[in-house]
Amino acid sequence: EVQLVESGGGLVQPGRSPRLSCTTSGLAFGDYAMSWVRQAPGKGLEWVGYIRSKVFGGTAEYAASVKGRFTISRDDSKSVVYLQMNSLKTEDTAVYYCSASFGELSYDDFWGQGTLVTVSS
Amino acid sequence: SYALTQPPSVSVSPGQTASITCSGDKLGDKFVSWYQQKPGQSPVLVIHQDAKRPSGIPERFSGSNSGNTATLTISGTQAMDEADYYCQAWDSNTKVFGGGTKLTVL
Repeated sequence: EVQLVESGGGLVQPGRSPRLSCTTSGLAFGDYAMSWVRQAPGKGLEWVGYIRSKVFGGTAEYAASVKGRFTISRDDSKSVVYLQMNSLKTEDTAVYYCSASFGELSYDDFWGQGTLVTVSS
Repeated sequence: SYALTQPPSVSVSPGQTASITCSGDKLGDKFVSWYQQKPGQSPVLVIHQDAKRPSGIPERFSGSNSGNTATLTISGTQAMDEADYYCQAWDSNTKVFGGGTKLTVL
């Protein structure tokens, strides 16, 4: 059974820099691109960014709203993907989901349960 | 930046056919995926590559994509299909989601 489990969410003050983790099991992690998608309370899905598998270069792409503030990295030896969030703003408050897609520019087969990040003083 | 437009809401009677559209410039040239999200749950892939159903997704879910519009069709809609539905496509290495459509079965 494939599982994606996000962690690291919680109440964070504006300007702080937490890191989210997404620990996976049951899939050939190295073959998958990993995405982060967020959902503000009562709103729709917003893509945050993704990191390619090593086969496709292992590079990351980001949404304009977070580019320069957020960084995605992966540790294939641990089957974990990270989202480093810097200089958080109140508008970054959302449930953050990680998802997995096989190959390049593909669809998300698997999703985690999400972790809520609340940015507030 | 590329945008996908969905109707905010669609209503359907049980047993009838529901159609949810997703519009974008030359969308037919891209692959479209559809995700279902029920309250308090994570999204679930229901259609990929315009019209393919993942294993475990009922046959009543189907998709099409041509021109500027992709459509998710649910035939014989059931109460359990009530959810938010999101279309998604890639544009210039950017994953784009539609704004979502709330499907009400009443």
